[in-house]
Amino acid sequence: GQNIDQPTEMTATEGAIVQINCTYQTSGFNGLFWYQQHAGEAPTFLSYNVLDGLEEKGRFSSFLSRSKGYSYLLLKELQMKDSASYLCAVRDSNYQLIWGAGTKLIIKP
Amino acid sequence: DVKVTQSSRYLVKRTGEKVFLECVQDMDHENMFWYRQDPGLGLRLIYFSYDVKMKEKGDIPEGYSVSREKKERFSLILESASTNQTSMYLCASSLGDRVTSPLHFGNGTRLTVT
Repeated sequence: GQNIDQPTEMTATEGAIVQINCTYQTSGFNGLFWYQQHAGEAPTFLSYNVLDGLEEKGRFSSFLSRSKGYSYLLLKELQMKDSASYLCAVRDSNYQLIWGAGTKLIIKP
Repeated sequence: DVKVTQSSRYLVKRTGEKVFLECVQDMDHENMFWYRQDPGLGLRLIYFSYDVKMKEKGDIPEGYSVSREKKERFSLILESASTNQTSMYLCASSLGDRVTSPLHFGNGTRLTVT
């Protein structure tokens, strides 16, 4: 079956760096997405990776290794507003998105 | 910015009622989707549509139907609501490129069936 694994919850300190991992086993691969979801709000798109390597967007970076079925989202200079859930999703060979359960990130002062 | 609007944030219905959840997007997106989100589970796809009057079943279509009579509107119908359909329902839309286009989500409808 298809599976996306991410840690359920992580805690980090304001100003620090945190890495949220995502491993996947899917039927085919057509890209990996990261979304941010604040409590009670809609998920919002953060990044898309389809080739191996690191994509940087300001304080957020996303890495992909297709051979390892692995991605991570790196958040630098953490701010309190980064407290949210982070969702990893892979687009499979049928172009459907397979979603992880999300990682709840708690930022402490 | 793309706006996806869901008609209700909170809804309480009784078992057996027919429930309509409405979703409208304002960016002329071809693709529209209905998901449900439950604690500890990833988003699960109920139905999707790649064009007007077109619909396809997702992973968990049982107990649901959809309607897409206009490009901007995608409605989810619970034919006879049951308590196991208590959930957060998220509507999303995307451009026609099914590979790279990200989804744009509405704020969700939290449905409680009693």
